[in-house]
Amino acid sequence: GENVEQHPSTLSVQEGDSAVIKCTYSDSASNYFPWYKQELGKRPQLIIDIRSNVGEKKDQRIAVTLNKTAKHFSLHITETQPEDSAVYFCAASDNDMRFGAGTRLTVKP
Amino acid sequence: SQTIHQWPATLVQPVGSPLSLECTVEGTSNPNLYWYRQAAGRGLQLLFYSVGIGQISSEVPQNLSASRPQDRQFILSSKKLLLSDSGFYLCAWNLGQVNTEAFFGQGTRLTVV
Repeated sequence: GENVEQHPSTLSVQEGDSAVIKCTYSDSASNYFPWYKQELGKRPQLIIDIRSNVGEKKDQRIAVTLNKTAKHFSLHITETQPEDSAVYFCAASDNDMRFGAGTRLTVKP
Repeated sequence: SQTIHQWPATLVQPVGSPLSLECTVEGTSNPNLYWYRQAAGRGLQLLFYSVGIGQISSEVPQNLSASRPQDRQFILSSKKLLLSDSGFYLCAWNLGQVNTEAFFGQGTRLTVV
């Protein structure tokens, strides 16, 4: 089955800096790659996703890139704010959505 | 609109007792359904997923089982709980046959004592 690896496990940045989280996947059949944000005690919520026929997608301060050949994809958050502090999960799916281990992002004011 | 219900929100059970967690989805047909477990400070581990009634794929060998008796109902069970079964259990759904956003239930915090 699919194996998703996510790095780093923790990330601390100053407010206004950029944050980058990277994931790799193993199953070439995976064709959908969402990113979720989970705040403490709450359920994960989708923040952005990308499909295998697209290399990059951007939504305001958040962007995702996908390299299908290398089987890796990344989340980029620019101009970070304290409210961006949360745990972020990547996932890869071919009808069996599997998640990375998560990255705890802390944005220091 | 679609909604997902998961209950109970919290549960404290003794070792060796049975478990039944229920998840139902409203407002859609033939969804993909998922059970995940999240240990404290850890990632989302896929336990089971289902693409249709009676179709269950198990990801991790353990003393848990899942059933889908109806199209929009997904049940997580155990005959005898272990201490290691403690964690945060999340049910999720997305549209079947098309990879789309997964929506999560509120989660069940299970503590086995």
